[in-house]
Amino acid sequence: GDSVTQMEGPVTLSEEACLTINCTYTATGYPSLFWYVQYPGEGLQLLLKATKADDKGSNKGFEATYRKETTSFHLEKGSVQVSDSAVYFCALLNNAGNMLTFGGGTRLMVKP
Amino acid sequence: GAVVSQHPSRVICKSGTSVKIECRSLDFQATTMFWYRQFPKKSLMLMATSNEGSKATYEQGVEKDKFLINHASLTLSTLTVTSAHPEDSSFYICSARDPITSYNEQFFGPGTRLTVL
Repeated sequence: GDSVTQMEGPVTLSEEACLTINCTYTATGYPSLFWYVQYPGEGLQLLLKATKADDKGSNKGFEATYRKETTSFHLEKGSVQVSDSAVYFCALLNNAGNMLTFGGGTRLMVKP
Repeated sequence: GAVVSQHPSRVICKSGTSVKIECRSLDFQATTMFWYRQFPKKSLMLMATSNEGSKATYEQGVEKDKFLINHASLTLSTLTVTSAHPEDSSFYICSARDPITSYNEQFFGPGTRLTVL
């Protein structure tokens, strides 16, 4: 079945540091890929998405590129802020569009 | 647009009671809603897929008699945890799909934290 693997956290960075959270997937066909963010005590918010190979999703300074050749969708940000502290989930939507599979989540802590 | 609400946001109940959680799509009609469960510091696990006007489809290992799902209208799905026990304590999150504007995207509610004493 489909699966998503992302780096385990927590990831602790100083403000303005560069961020990369790795995400790789296994799936049949042509899935869509997502990054969601969860702030403490809240539900999930869509951060960015990509629906086909080589697409780049971007939002709020975060970006990720759908790499079919490496089956990856790594999340990057050039300069993190304290307000970026949250848990980030990589997710895959199958071909049929009826099953969203989540990675284990990566907690990011940004210190001033 | 595409806002999903959940009620209540937090509930504490005694063991043996039943708890109902509502999931509403506020500005769109959702033919399909999803219920997830999230354990502390863990990822989301899909419990069931709810289609308006039909029975929910449960994932393997989820007791359908324990977690009753009703999707009676295009904007409301409910999850009832029957005879709740402490091991049912968790964060329950629903999502909804808007087939008209965004077929393949799920919009998530803010979650409901259930604590069973």
